[in-house]
Amino acid sequence: KNEVEQSPQNLTAQEGEFITINCSYSVGISALHWLQQHPGGGIVSLFMLSSGKKKHGRLIATINIQEKHSSLHITASHPRDSAVYICAVPSSGSRLTFGEGTQLTVNP
Amino acid sequence: NAGVTQTPKFQVLKTGQSMTLQCAQDMNHEYMSWYRQDPGMGLRLIHYSVGAGITDQGEVPNGYNVSRSTTEDFPLRLLSAAPSQTSVYFCASSRDRVENEQFFGPGTRLTVL
Repeated sequence: KNEVEQSPQNLTAQEGEFITINCSYSVGISALHWLQQHPGGGIVSLFMLSSGKKKHGRLIATINIQEKHSSLHITASHPRDSAVYICAVPSSGSRLTFGEGTQLTVNP
Repeated sequence: NAGVTQTPKFQVLKTGQSMTLQCAQDMNHEYMSWYRQDPGMGLRLIHYSVGAGITDQGEVPNGYNVSRSTTEDFPLRLLSAAPSQTSVYFCASSRDRVENEQFFGPGTRLTVL
């Protein structure tokens, strides 16, 4: 089974700050997911990446396959970015293993 | 497209009762899965399916049954509810593999008394 660790568990930032959330995993993978869970509970996919970097608006995701590490960056953070951010990787068979999530709070 | 739908949104059961959580998707996705989310823990896989007629167990399958008679539907059955099954349940789907983009339903909050 692939073990996934996220850091930090909790993060509080001021509006406008640059934010980084980290994800490490134990077994080599073909792809990694970043998900966002809104305060209301809904979960949406932000990125699926297998190499390099992807950007969507103020969100940037990077992955280093050799180091088994991925980062999610948020530039110019805003209170509406407050959510739980979850990293997930394929595990044995057709399964995903999820990190525990990072609770982000952005204060105005 | 409605995406992934789940019913009900909320449910309260008594210990020993049975019920079925419904999940449907209209994207013709082959891969569907059920997760439970508990405080302080990541999402944990209960059961998954890689296509109609094919299901397999995840990390925490005990007390749950699934079937996949059509591509669209993937119901989760609680056979005899226990307080330990109090959780939020999410259904998800993707095109054909777990590496593809995942689409999640809105969740079902279940309380077992």
